[in-house]
Amino acid sequence: QVQLVQSGAEVKKPGASVKVSCKASGYTFTSYDINWVRQATGQGLEWMGWMNPNSGNTGYAQKFQGRVTMTRNTSISTAYMELSSLRSEDTAVYYCARVASSGYYYFDYWGQGTLVTVSS
Amino acid sequence: DIVMTQSPDSLAVSLGERATINCKSSQSVLYSSNNKNYLAWYQQKPGQPPKLLIYWASTRESGVPDRFSGSGSGTDFTLTISSLQAEDVAVYYCQQYYSTPEITFGPGTKVDIK
Repeated sequence: QVQLVQSGAEVKKPGASVKVSCKASGYTFTSYDINWVRQATGQGLEWMGWMNPNSGNTGYAQKFQGRVTMTRNTSISTAYMELSSLRSEDTAVYYCARVASSGYYYFDYWGQGTLVTVSS
Repeated sequence: DIVMTQSPDSLAVSLGERATINCKSSQSVLYSSNNKNYLAWYQQKPGQPPKLLIYWASTRESGVPDRFSGSGSGTDFTLTISSLQAEDVAVYYCQQYYSTPEITFGPGTKVDIK
């Protein structure tokens, strides 16, 4: 069965960086784009960007340009999202999500979420 | 950017009654070449990731109970829960993927039991 398993919770200081992993199993990792979505406590869903695991091509929401980097390691079917220059407003649960159908960005499988807390 | 709005912000419905959630996009998400509406609905329960319910505005994801249905076209869409069950208490989000890959979500509608 398809699974996306994310790394554990992180606590970071303002100005630091965080790298969250998303390990895929149950399907061919390189066949489906991975997106990252975050959710602050009690708030809605915010799209951050996408990555094609086959080519490594990426695209980021304007809001995160210059601060976010999405990468992958195809040998271990894992996608990564690194966010730098962290501030308190980045405290949120970060989700990876698999695109359900090539070219159509709705998401059929989601990771369990990784809580990132930014606090001095 | 395509801006998504939802109404109401929250609603409380008696068990077995109908729940209706509205979603509006700032521009049409109907792609004329294939006559498809690029609109999905998700359910999110506390402490869980979102779960895909509906895509192409009205296609139910495999395994989703048939009490969930989606309708609408262009800029106005509706998610209907025909007979609310206790396990349907959640926040529901619409999402447009017309502007793939720059997708956007609605702000969410919280559904509770009256």
